[in-house]
Amino acid sequence: EAQVTQNPRYLITVTGKKLTVTCSQNMNHEYMSWYRQDPGLGLRQIYYSMNVEVTDKGDVPEGYKVSRKEKRNFPLILESPSPNQTSLYFCASSPRGRNQPQHFGDGTRLSIL
Amino acid sequence: QQQVKQSPQSLIVQKGGISIINCAYENTAFDYFPWYQQFPGKGPALLIAIRPDVSEKKEGRFTISFNKSAKQFSLHIMDSQPGDSATYFCAALRDNYGQNFVFGPGTRLSVLP
Repeated sequence: EAQVTQNPRYLITVTGKKLTVTCSQNMNHEYMSWYRQDPGLGLRQIYYSMNVEVTDKGDVPEGYKVSRKEKRNFPLILESPSPNQTSLYFCASSPRGRNQPQHFGDGTRLSIL
Repeated sequence: QQQVKQSPQSLIVQKGGISIINCAYENTAFDYFPWYQQFPGKGPALLIAIRPDVSEKKEGRFTISFNKSAKQFSLHIMDSQPGDSATYFCAALRDNYGQNFVFGPGTRLSVLP
């Protein structure tokens, strides 16, 4: 089954404790993105990647890191999480080319205390 | 100029009625306008999309109307069903590479039986 898999689905942690949210896709897509979803703000893009070793900042990159060492994986790293990063996070992937639909994972709900 | 505005924030429609959600943008460089549907606990899923050189696109009960001169586009759901109850996001593609999207804040649709 074609899918984007995020782990963990839920995480409660404390300020300053480094965490990584993994994202993996099995569709051989070149493009991958991370978004955060907050009430009243919709989805805001954090980082995106056009291919292996190619990443770029979205609208809200502060406090986040990403890496794309393999085509299928695109982890999101919070080096020193803070309460304002409490949110619902989505990873998405799409094939190369314009006007291609994004396929989203089912989300990771992070709570930073 | 990098935003997409969306209204209403929430919408209640009787079964069989027409649901209309509106979006507006300012940057004429935006290209490709998808609509996503999101159910609770799930990631957004592409519903329908349109390019700015087309004024209307219809897929089943879902229609996008696009007004390039007014920089507005809307989603119409005909014969709305309780199963359509979800959050709907409009989006716009900002770059020429196919990955830099901006989303509207979302509309929560409830269709009453």
